Amino acid sequence: GAVVSQHPSWVICKSGTSVKIECRSLDFQATTMFWYRQFPKQSLMLMATSNEGSKATYEQGVEKDKFLINHASLTLSTLTVTSAHPEDSSFYICSARDRRSHQETQYFGPGTRLLVL
Amino acid sequence: AQTVTQSQPEMSVQEAETVTLSCTYDTSESDYYLFWYKQPPSRQMILVIRQEAYKQQNATENRFSVNFQKAAKSFSLKISDSQLGDAAMYFCAYNQGGKLIFGQGTELSVKP
Repeated sequence: GAVVSQHPSWVICKSGTSVKIECRSLDFQATTMFWYRQFPKQSLMLMATSNEGSKATYEQGVEKDKFLINHASLTLSTLTVTSAHPEDSSFYICSARDRRSHQETQYFGPGTRLLVL
Repeated sequence: AQTVTQSQPEMSVQEAETVTLSCTYDTSESDYYLFWYKQPPSRQMILVIRQEAYKQQNATENRFSVNFQKAAKSFSLKISDSQLGDAAMYFCAYNQGGKLIFGQGTELSVKP
């Protein structure tokens, strides 16, 4: 149980285009999902918290117009990188918290590697 | 602000032996959760073990156990009978208001 999927796993795009990444909880409902960014050999940096049916909460320094987050259902959150540039190239990871759990455990997706040319 | 510190960027262990990874954190809260996650080369984050601060008993999951010292704000991970598959980056994390605050990570290598 507690499986989270992400799609796509790899994406290469041209500078200026937009890229959408999907995060799904496959066997549980998640009222809250999280989006992280990770650079090589570094820790995970929280970008935003996504709550079903409401606006996402962004961490300080993260451009909300650049990284659009939508949490349309209890099993799906999407991250859209708008007008992507080479500096947006990174590894993006989502996580989800089971709404039934009171133990605050986050289950992570396999991540998406984004390369902007 | 809450912080999580892993002071060992790299650790190495011989297969079948035991290794301990250190983690300290800073908080003014009395009730919280602590986690250890493993990130192998695939980069999939895998939950290793979870500790609830109000529980005095140290959490254990098979070969993985923690030494939770609440007063000292220390949360170390012990891996017994190390296996080649344990080689990975290990992250300690503290739960703050539903968000996870991660340490810098410790890269563990296992020698055959």
